[in-house]
Amino acid sequence: EAQVTQNPRYLITVTGKKLTVTCSQNMNHEYMSWYRQDPGLGLRQIYYSMNVEVTDKGDVPEGYKVSRKEKRNFPLILESPSPNQTSLYFCASSFTGGGYNEQFFGPGTRLTVL
Amino acid sequence: RKEVEQDPGPFNVPEGATVAFNCTYSNSASQSFFWYRQDCRKEPKLLMSVYSSGNEDGRFTAQLNRASQYISLLIRDSKLSDSATYLCVVTGSARQLTFGSGTQLTVLP
Repeated sequence: EAQVTQNPRYLITVTGKKLTVTCSQNMNHEYMSWYRQDPGLGLRQIYYSMNVEVTDKGDVPEGYKVSRKEKRNFPLILESPSPNQTSLYFCASSFTGGGYNEQFFGPGTRLTVL
Repeated sequence: RKEVEQDPGPFNVPEGATVAFNCTYSNSASQSFFWYRQDCRKEPKLLMSVYSSGNEDGRFTAQLNRASQYISLLIRDSKLSDSATYLCVVTGSARQLTFGSGTQLTVLP
C-alpha cells in the first residue's frame, strides 16, 4: 500500500529534551516536506527536500532540523524543544516539488512540549 | 496580508443543500490551485485540482478567477459525509504550496 508513515503518532516531552520524528514514504517520491498545523494558522511549512541531500527552509524553520540521506526517509529533529513547538506535525511527499503535484500526507504526530 | 485567505466558517447546512466556499490569494504569479479535505485533525487529502477553465467531479465544482485572484468550491446535494474542513491550497511565491487555514463544514441531518 502506497503510504507515508510517521512515528511516533503522539509524544509528550519536556523542554530541552532532544527528539526526532521519523517520516518514511514508499512511493519513490523525490519531494518531501514537513508542516506544522496550529489552530487558526493552517498548515505552515517547516522544511522541504527536493531530493536526496537537498533540503531547504520553509516558512517556519526556527528550532527544527532535517536531513535527507535516503530518498524514502525525512526525519524532523527538534534539538531543544520548547512549549511553542507544541503542535500537530505532518510529513508529506509528492512525485516532484514545485507545487504542481498532489501531496500525500502522513497521519500526523501530535507533540506536546511541557 | 496572508497569502491565502479563507472564511473559517463554520458553515452548518442541512443535508441536500448547496454550499460554496471562496478563497483569495495574494500572489498573482501563482500557477497551481487545489482543494484539500481534512477530517477532524486527520491528514489532509486532495479533493481536487482547480483548472483555469473550471472543473467538476461529481457533486463538486471548482472555479478559478485569476483576475480577481480567488478560487471557489461548490458542493451540491450535501451529504453528512461531506462534513470536514476544506483547505484552499495555492502554489506560493517560492513555488511551494501555501495552505489556507481552512473552512469548516458541518452537514446536518
